[in-house]
Amino acid sequence: DSGVTQTPKHLITATGQRVTLRCSPRSGDLSVYWYQQSLDQGLQFLIQYYNGEERAKGNILERFSAQQFPDLHSELNLSSLELGDSALYFCASSVDTSLPGETQYFGPGTRLLVL
Amino acid sequence: QKEVEQDPGPLSVPEGAIVSLNCTYSNSAFQYFMWYRQYSRKGPELLMYTYSSGNKEDGRFTAQVDKSSKYISLFIRDSQPSDSATYLCAMTSSNTGKLIFGQGTTLQVKP
Repeated sequence: DSGVTQTPKHLITATGQRVTLRCSPRSGDLSVYWYQQSLDQGLQFLIQYYNGEERAKGNILERFSAQQFPDLHSELNLSSLELGDSALYFCASSVDTSLPGETQYFGPGTRLLVL
Repeated sequence: QKEVEQDPGPLSVPEGAIVSLNCTYSNSAFQYFMWYRQYSRKGPELLMYTYSSGNKEDGRFTAQVDKSSKYISLFIRDSQPSDSATYLCAMTSSNTGKLIFGQGTTLQVKP
């Protein structure tokens, strides 16, 4: 158990809908990262937050947004869902970002299926 | 062309074999290299982390980095059925934490 929690574990929804994925980082970790894992694209970095502020952005679609709250939990919002958004969404956390390549601890993921 | 290339396998070996997993990359700015292991329906977990060319050993695992060839490897000695998983290489060039992952290689170790 990495100490990172994600809810829900599974989510089934329809095209055009909006969903929110939630992540609680390990106790003491200030950075939260979101990744998307699909069969064709592999594990791709979406976005990072550090202590409430956006720190880095990857290939995140405009339909997707995220935020990190004062208690350091994070939410990833996916809107106008398409079939191709079906994937595993992982959250990871680390203490901070002052050390390059700092260890990121991954949660168990949320499996999203868009029908 | 992807920044990081990794043969997806699957790779099947008998118990006790030496396993070699490899990744190549194109971005010379990558300075920090990791190997993650991902069991089915679980999140990735960090196995090895290196930042310089050469070898780093941890138990049955050895990570090798050749920056001049832009090539990294993970060797598993005396492989066990419990090593059956997907192995992902990852790398980064900065302290933002943005990791670039390979596609992952699925390994099966048969008893």
